[in-house]
Amino acid sequence: DAGVTQSPTHLIKTRGQQVTLRCSPKSGHDTVSWYQQALGQGPQFIFQYYEEEERQRGNFPDRFSGHQFPNYSSELNVNALLLGDSALYLCASSRDRITEAFFGQGTRLTVV
Amino acid sequence: DAKTTQPNSMESNEEEPVHLPCNHSTISGTDYIHWYRQLPSQGPEYVIHGLTSNVNNRMASLAIAEDRKSSTLILHRATLRDAAVYYCILRDDLVGNKLVFGAGTILRVKS
Repeated sequence: DAGVTQSPTHLIKTRGQQVTLRCSPKSGHDTVSWYQQALGQGPQFIFQYYEEEERQRGNFPDRFSGHQFPNYSSELNVNALLLGDSALYLCASSRDRITEAFFGQGTRLTVV
Repeated sequence: DAKTTQPNSMESNEEEPVHLPCNHSTISGTDYIHWYRQLPSQGPEYVIHGLTSNVNNRMASLAIAEDRKSSTLILHRATLRDAAVYYCILRDDLVGNKLVFGAGTILRVKS
């Protein structure tokens, strides 16, 4: 079992650009959540997708959007990048209403 | 979102037990207590969770106070691989899978 896989592992973008991050959930999981982790802080919840719909959303601006595909994989899109968007972006998958969330290794985004 | 309070850091010797405390005085009746840990350069990893009774699994034990206002994660024999940030999280499992992370406790293990 490959677990949760994220791509790319590292990314450098310029302020104002747009970025797309990708996530493949663990086999058998249908719910995908995205988190942002700034250096030295705990992960912050961005949003969660289930059945291709956004089910929950954290306190993030509309520049952050996502998508879930029929095979349960997911994308996180961030528009008009700011320097403050530099962070580790984590994807987590789970079965709906089953407790244990499995996290990927994350994508390190640097905005310059 | 219910809040938890954890010490910023703790230190332990290898092969000795470690007790990581968590206070959650505003816990509601439907909040489960979850623990995750994050090793350096990795995503968080599930450790254990419970509602009212003490819980054991292959990784750790969770001791929950009778009034549920505090809990303790117990690592029975710390190893160097247990050095990580440990997060205590409250979640209403009837509502959804969102996890609200605080700053956590940095556990250092000395050989």
